[in-house]
Amino acid sequence: QKEVEQDPGPLSVPEGAIVSLNCTYSNSAFQYFMWYRQYSRKGPELLMYTYSSGNKEDGRFTAQVDKSSKYISLFIRDSQPSDSATYLCAMSAAGGTSYGKLTFGQGTILTVHP
Amino acid sequence: SQTIHQWPATLVQPVGSPLSLECTVEGTSNPNLYWYRQAAGRGLQLLFYSVGIGQISSEVPQNLSASRPQDRQFILSSKKLLLSDSGFYLCAWNGGAPYEQYFGPGTRLTVT
Repeated sequence: QKEVEQDPGPLSVPEGAIVSLNCTYSNSAFQYFMWYRQYSRKGPELLMYTYSSGNKEDGRFTAQVDKSSKYISLFIRDSQPSDSATYLCAMSAAGGTSYGKLTFGQGTILTVHP
Repeated sequence: SQTIHQWPATLVQPVGSPLSLECTVEGTSNPNLYWYRQAAGRGLQLLFYSVGIGQISSEVPQNLSASRPQDRQFILSSKKLLLSDSGFYLCAWNGGAPYEQYFGPGTRLTVT
């Protein structure tokens, strides 16, 4: 079993739709939960992060973490064609030898069509 | 501000040839540095990380090696490439907090 599971999609939605992206994980030591966006043939860029459980909102993006279920989500409201990219979840334990080492999901390919 | 560079951007190499990919970071000192590989349609796999000059940790046993000859320089090498080494190689540095990892533009390697 992989430490982080992410549905690779692809996911295709019309402009303006609400998008839900999800990851599950098995390692209870994970404390930091990140979402990266990667455009084609580019390096990933950090979109949002959440520490421990809870919600975090940034504009059209909302990240949720449910540590009891080992499940994280990213919601995109009013999706735009410019949101078309691969979305990668990533996780990290806090401190110790795991510090700064990220474990990534497979990535979900999202296409928002006009 | 901090900037991370990788070169070359694209590389096509025959099986059995050597490899050297370079990554440099500007605007910070003593960063943690990371090499990842991303196969087509896959997530990122951590290959090596370094917390200082000459300090390299390997995450996955394989045909590759890494070196850190200077504080802000990280090099990925191979003596003899395999077909399975093809992929998108990404260098990253850590900004201090566990979530603060920033990636370079990547090198797309095709082994033929």
